[in-house]
Amino acid sequence: GENVEQHPSTLSVQEGDSAVIKCTYSDSASNYFPWYKQELGKRPQLIIDIRSNVGEKKDQRIAVTLNKTAKHFSLHITETQPEDSAVYFCAASMIKAAGNKLTFGGGTRVLVKP
Amino acid sequence: NAGVTQTPKFRILKIGQSMTLQCTQDMNHNYMYWYRQDPGMGLKLIYYSVGAGITDKGEVPNGYNVSRSTTEDFPLRLELAAPSQTSVYFCASSYSQGAREKLFFGSGTQLSVL
Repeated sequence: GENVEQHPSTLSVQEGDSAVIKCTYSDSASNYFPWYKQELGKRPQLIIDIRSNVGEKKDQRIAVTLNKTAKHFSLHITETQPEDSAVYFCAASMIKAAGNKLTFGGGTRVLVKP
Repeated sequence: NAGVTQTPKFRILKIGQSMTLQCTQDMNHNYMYWYRQDPGMGLKLIYYSVGAGITDKGEVPNGYNVSRSTTEDFPLRLELAAPSQTSVYFCASSYSQGAREKLFFGSGTQLSVL
């Protein structure tokens, strides 16, 4: 089955700096790569996703890049703000008719220091 | 529109006890999932369902059972609770057509087995 590794496990940045989280996946058949944000005590929520036919996607201060050959993808947060403090999870799956069975990475705890 | 609703929010069980975690969604989603999240770890898929009457195992199904008699409800049953089942449990659902990639999570059930 799919295996997703995520690094680093914790990341501390100064407000206004950039944060980068990296993930690798094992199954070359995976074609969908979302990122979920989980604030303390809350449910995970999708913040951005990318399909394997796209190399990069951006949404305001958040961007995701995908390297299919190397089987890795990254989340980039620019101009970090205190509200970006949370745990971020990457995931991978192969979208097909039988649902979207995501395999998650271990998570990255991001702390933005004011 | 309540989204995905889970009950209870917290529960303490003794070893060997049984319980059912309830999950209901009002978005008419065909796909539903149960994940567990151990402290400091990512989410692991326990069971999933692609529609009423259809369920299948995920990565970590041992010690759990599910049923899906209606589109709205997807309860998770723990039989003979063990300390290894201490975790936070999240139910999720997604569309079966169109943008079916996005998972909508419930608020979670924190379970301790002592």
